Amino acid sequence: GDSVTQMEGPVTLSEEAFLTINCTYTATGYPSLFWYVQYPGEGLQLLLKATKADDKGSNKGFEATYRKETTSFHLEKGSVQVSDSAVYFCALSDQTGANNLFFGTGTRLTVIP
Amino acid sequence: NAGVTQTPKFQVLKTGQSMTLQCAQDMNHNSMYWYRQDPGMGLRLIYYSASEGTTDKGEVPNGYNVSRLNKREFSLRLESAAPSQTSVYFCASSRVDGLNEQFFGPGTRLTVL
Repeated sequence: GDSVTQMEGPVTLSEEAFLTINCTYTATGYPSLFWYVQYPGEGLQLLLKATKADDKGSNKGFEATYRKETTSFHLEKGSVQVSDSAVYFCALSDQTGANNLFFGTGTRLTVIP
Repeated sequence: NAGVTQTPKFQVLKTGQSMTLQCAQDMNHNSMYWYRQDPGMGLRLIYYSASEGTTDKGEVPNGYNVSRLNKREFSLRLESAAPSQTSVYFCASSRVDGLNEQFFGPGTRLTVL
């Protein structure tokens, strides 16, 4: 079945450091891929997405490229800020009519000044 | 535009008690979802409703029932709560048009003693 494997956390970085959070997936067909972010005490918000191979999603300085050959969708940011501290979830859509999402386990990021 | 709203925000139940979690969206979305979030396990789909009048089981439906009351509202019922149902519950909705983005509510933190 469809699944997402996400880098274990937690991750602690100093402000302005480079961030990578790894995500690989298993799916039949050609799923859409997503990164969601959850700030403390809130629900999930879509951070970025990519719907086909080689697409790059980007938002708020974060980027991820849909790599079909390596079945990966790694999240990167060149210079993190304290305000980026949150839990990040990689997810894929099973492309059925129900549009179900399969989530990774989440990676907690803490950025220290 | 409130987006996805959930009530209550917090709830404590005793084993065997019943309760209903309410969810409503004002984005005219066709599909709605209920997830639970447990530490180290990401989000898991409980039930979903692809369109008004239909509901289907997700990954972890046991112990739950749902009702798609109308296009706006999708409720989750625990008939006889168990400690294993202690979790944070999220409702989400999406417009099934190929964009596949899900919008999440703020969550309900449920504790079953």
